[in-house]
Amino acid sequence: GAVVSQHPSRVICKSGTSVKIECRSLDFQATTMFWYRQFPKQSLMLMATSNEGSKATYEQGVEKDKFLINHASLTLSTLTVTSAHPEDSSFYICSVSDAGNTIYFGEGSWLTVV
Amino acid sequence: GDSVTQMEGPVTLSEEAFLTINCTYTATGYPSLFWYVQYPGEGLQLLLKATKADDKGSNKGFEATYRKETTSFHLEKGSVQVSDSAVYFCALSGAGTALIFGKGTTLSVSS
Repeated sequence: GAVVSQHPSRVICKSGTSVKIECRSLDFQATTMFWYRQFPKQSLMLMATSNEGSKATYEQGVEKDKFLINHASLTLSTLTVTSAHPEDSSFYICSVSDAGNTIYFGEGSWLTVV
Repeated sequence: GDSVTQMEGPVTLSEEAFLTINCTYTATGYPSLFWYVQYPGEGLQLLLKATKADDKGSNKGFEATYRKETTSFHLEKGSVQVSDSAVYFCALSGAGTALIFGKGTTLSVSS
């Protein structure tokens, strides 16, 4: 079964609103989770590293005030896209690693901003 | 910095044809290498991986060998099926367990 659950799988929101995406580790505790973004017909790009109990580490060019990451527990990280605009429409996906460094991806979330 | 380069697609093949998708990498140190597959409308699935030089990863008839001397990790399958139609991503492990992906190669197999 799934090791990582991501929700919602698809969301449509109006421009200017905020949307929250959840990533849950189902089988183990994860002190670190990763958030990626994939634009249509492009590769996945690491956005940020989510660290339980501390601030996320953002990759260069990713606006930390726009993409809020909260890793409040060892099994849940959330990505909130604030004041979303059509150019934020993308596929967002999280990953976690177990103690053996095996990487698991969530199912991904398709965000469409209209 | 570290990077992954894979052949541009789309790759269009007939069923039972031989598949090769080239992947080369640039990295400091000795990264682990991965192939992921993304079926239409779905998330990523790990296809295979190799963690050190000369390792061969294999799964579902797909194979890739970690070649340090050529910094390559080419994906091969001897006989593709229509159900193999998907986007394939080559990736390497960067800092921690974050991944660096190639741009992806779309494979389309027709019967």
